[in-house]
Amino acid sequence: SQQGEEDPQALSIQEGENATMNCSYKTSINNLQWYRQNSGRGLVHLILIRSNEREKHSGRLRVTLDTSKKSSSLLITASRAADTASYFCATVGRGSARQLTFGSGTQLTVLP
Amino acid sequence: NAGVTQTPKFRVLKTGQSMTLLCAQDMNHEYMYWYRQDPGMGLRLIHYSVGEGTTAKGEVPDGYNVSRLKKQNFLLGLESAAPSQTSVYFCASSVGGTNTEAFFGQGTRLTVV
Repeated sequence: SQQGEEDPQALSIQEGENATMNCSYKTSINNLQWYRQNSGRGLVHLILIRSNEREKHSGRLRVTLDTSKKSSSLLITASRAADTASYFCATVGRGSARQLTFGSGTQLTVLP
Repeated sequence: NAGVTQTPKFRVLKTGQSMTLLCAQDMNHEYMYWYRQDPGMGLRLIHYSVGEGTTAKGEVPDGYNVSRLKKQNFLLGLESAAPSQTSVYFCASSVGGTNTEAFFGQGTRLTVV
């Protein structure tokens, strides 16, 4: 079964608003990563947060990690129409550190 | 910079036919992965490799075989295609180790009729 599950499955917001996506996972991790996929394209890495980190920023992205709850969130601030895409969390587990396991993704639509 | 290149981009197979998908990376990465993506299922790991000459099974390996004879290439084979293997296949590579990002190819859309 997949390690990560994103919530919500779909999210629609207006341009300029913030978008928050959540990811829950099942087993202990070494790190958690977020990826973006535009329709019909491959995935692009956005940000990586290690298991000993609680928060990380990159431009308009803010990622938090709560290992006690086995959950992470991705916040995109001041969203743009170009942010419309699917967003996936992926985990690298302890003991299976060579496998990168993905969740089912959140489809984000930013309306102009 | 080519990055990760998948060949072919589209293919239609008849049930029972065989084919090989090629993944090539020019970044000297140690790790390579094959995933399949189905609607609503996210990406599921088929097989992966942590170095030249090594392969390992992922979450959904049945019906597929792989080879990593050269560091830059990772081949995914379907010996006898089934309609259930209709999917979009993605290859990815990474430097290796744990705290590294993966780089993805553009995908191969495979339809088995």
